[in-house]
Amino acid sequence: AQSVAQPEDQVNVAEGNPLTVKCTYSVSGNPYLFWYVQYPNRGLQFLLKYITGDNLVKGSYGFEAEFNKSQTSFHLKKPSALVSDSALYFCAVRDSGGYNKLIFGAGTRLAVHP
Amino acid sequence: DTEVTQTPKHLVMGMTNKKSLKCEQHMGHRAMYWYKQKAKKPPELMFVYSYEKLSINESVPSRFSPECPNSSLLNLHLHALQPEDSALYLCASSQDAPNSRSPLHFGNGTRLTVT
Repeated sequence: AQSVAQPEDQVNVAEGNPLTVKCTYSVSGNPYLFWYVQYPNRGLQFLLKYITGDNLVKGSYGFEAEFNKSQTSFHLKKPSALVSDSALYFCAVRDSGGYNKLIFGAGTRLAVHP
Repeated sequence: DTEVTQTPKHLVMGMTNKKSLKCEQHMGHRAMYWYKQKAKKPPELMFVYSYEKLSINESVPSRFSPECPNSSLLNLHLHALQPEDSALYLCASSQDAPNSRSPLHFGNGTRLTVT
């Protein structure tokens, strides 16, 4: 069975500081990994994905994520946080073998303080 | 701005009403999805259409009835809903088959309140 965990309900960061939002996953095959962001009263917005290749993936709005197979992690990072990055972030995983639906983590609320 | 358009943005309906949610995408995507999202929770998959055919029904109660009139449109017909069905209903699309590498593109949702 596939699963994804976001261990932090909320992450607080000062503006200008680096941010990390954590994600770990469990799949039986190779993972397809995604990060989405949701602003209040909006749908989810795709940020970036890892399918294969380089472990460091760059996405929208200066975000990046590092795939670590040995630690089964896919943490989202940004070198310098903006107040406008404050939102709800979801990690999602799909097992590449056969049909498997996309599984979302519980979400992490990022609060960036001025 | 999202490329998946959902109408209406807000809907209030009584438990005896019949209403429909609409979703449209013009990206040429061949898979379309309905999700239900409660406050501060992740989206829960309801239905998946692949190439205009219903491919996944996640054991959703029959008071929710999906329809895919063509490759660009997706409807969700609502009848005899319960107050616990109040939620944000999200439509999404992806480029090809649901088990592909393609990310989902979400609309901004319909905020449904059942009274």
